[in-house]
Amino acid sequence: GEDVEQSLFLSVREGDSSVINCTYTDSSSTYLYWYKQEPGAGLQLLTYIFSNMDMKQDQRLTVLLNKKDKHLSLRIADTQTGDSAIYFCAEGPSQGNLIFGKGTKLSVKP
Amino acid sequence: KAGVTQTPRYLIKTRGQQVTLSCSPISGHRSVSWYQQTPGQGLQFLFEYFSETQRNKGNFPGRFSGRQFSNSRSEMNVSTLELGDSALYLCASYRTDAPYEQYFGPGTRLTVT
Repeated sequence: GEDVEQSLFLSVREGDSSVINCTYTDSSSTYLYWYKQEPGAGLQLLTYIFSNMDMKQDQRLTVLLNKKDKHLSLRIADTQTGDSAIYFCAEGPSQGNLIFGKGTKLSVKP
Repeated sequence: KAGVTQTPRYLIKTRGQQVTLSCSPISGHRSVSWYQQTPGQGLQFLFEYFSETQRNKGNFPGRFSGRQFSNSRSEMNVSTLELGDSALYLCASYRTDAPYEQYFGPGTRLTVT
């Protein structure tokens, strides 16, 4: 079945780059998304990439997609303490149903 | 443009009771999806509505139901609450054309005691 896997934790120093990785299984997914969730809040859409693209850059965020390996990554440049949150990758859409990973908790140390 | 709103934000109910949660989508969005978020299972899809019709349903028991109104507002209902229904319930709204960006509300935190 469809599945999305992410590592659970990532710790970086302020000012460094963060790279959050994700693997997915559904090759029919047309879009892949990255969401951010801060404590007590809903999900904030950060960016997305169309499945026929290799890379997308959006200010400090860079998304890389390796469709052959079904591997997606999110790079955050110059990571700040305000970037501390849980990051989810998701594949979809399939009739409005996004399949989410379990989330990667990013901790940024000053 | 106002975001997705969900009411209430917090709810405490007793086992066996029922609950109704409400979601108002972003203006112009006609599709609404509901998700349940728990520490153990993560984010799981409940159902999706478009133009008052349920288009897709996740793997949840029949105690979970929903509907959508002509103004695209949506409600979900959980009957005969169980302790395991304690979760954050998230609603997302989106347009029906690509790239199908789903925008989430802040969620309703349901606690069943």
